[in-house]
Amino acid sequence: EPEVTQTPSHQVTQMGQEVILRCVPISNHLYFYWYRQILGQKVEFLVSFYNNEISEKSEIFDDQFSVERPDGSNFTLKIRSTKLEDSAMYFCASSTGAVGYTFGSGTRLTVV
Amino acid sequence: TQLLEQSPQFLSIQEGENLTVYCNSSSVFSSLQWYRQEPGEGPVLLVTVVTGGEVKKLKRLTFQFGDARKDSSLHITAAQPGDTGLYLCAGARNSGNTPLVFGKGTRLSVIA
Repeated sequence: EPEVTQTPSHQVTQMGQEVILRCVPISNHLYFYWYRQILGQKVEFLVSFYNNEISEKSEIFDDQFSVERPDGSNFTLKIRSTKLEDSAMYFCASSTGAVGYTFGSGTRLTVV
Repeated sequence: TQLLEQSPQFLSIQEGENLTVYCNSSSVFSSLQWYRQEPGEGPVLLVTVVTGGEVKKLKRLTFQFGDARKDSSLHITAAQPGDTGLYLCAGARNSGNTPLVFGKGTRLSVIA
């Protein structure tokens, strides 16, 4: 069964540092997403990406965040100048555009 | 802002019992998806319901989409310990590449 792969599984960073979370979506999927889940809270939408550009973003996705598809397989989320409240599970997902996403296992980001 | 309210938040039952989990909103959704999430993992898609009144069965799990496409339910028959987990509903406001709005989830514990 095809999978969405995320690395690293855990990341600890100091406040103010930049982090890059990496994702390899399913190869024939065209739509890519980042969601996050703060401990004990809902899964929240951050950004969607299609045809090499952002198609939609939430209020959470401010100038601190950026996404990139640097090559044909990777999809990255960069968080600049991390804050304590950025600590969360970050999930990458991909889809064909039909209903139903495939989520990765997530990256647990801890900002200290 | 579209919200999805799930109830109950927690449910602990004996093996063999039946249960129903509810997902309600005041907003209309194009589709509703049900996911199951294990600790430290990403959500795994169980089913997508698209048509008002639609019923889908997945072994002992029965999913229903409300006629007005504002609510959904998940019914589990003869629950087993392997059903233990966090069940999430997520709504899409439009078809295709559209962000999902997640509920907070129902944490189910099935005791042998």
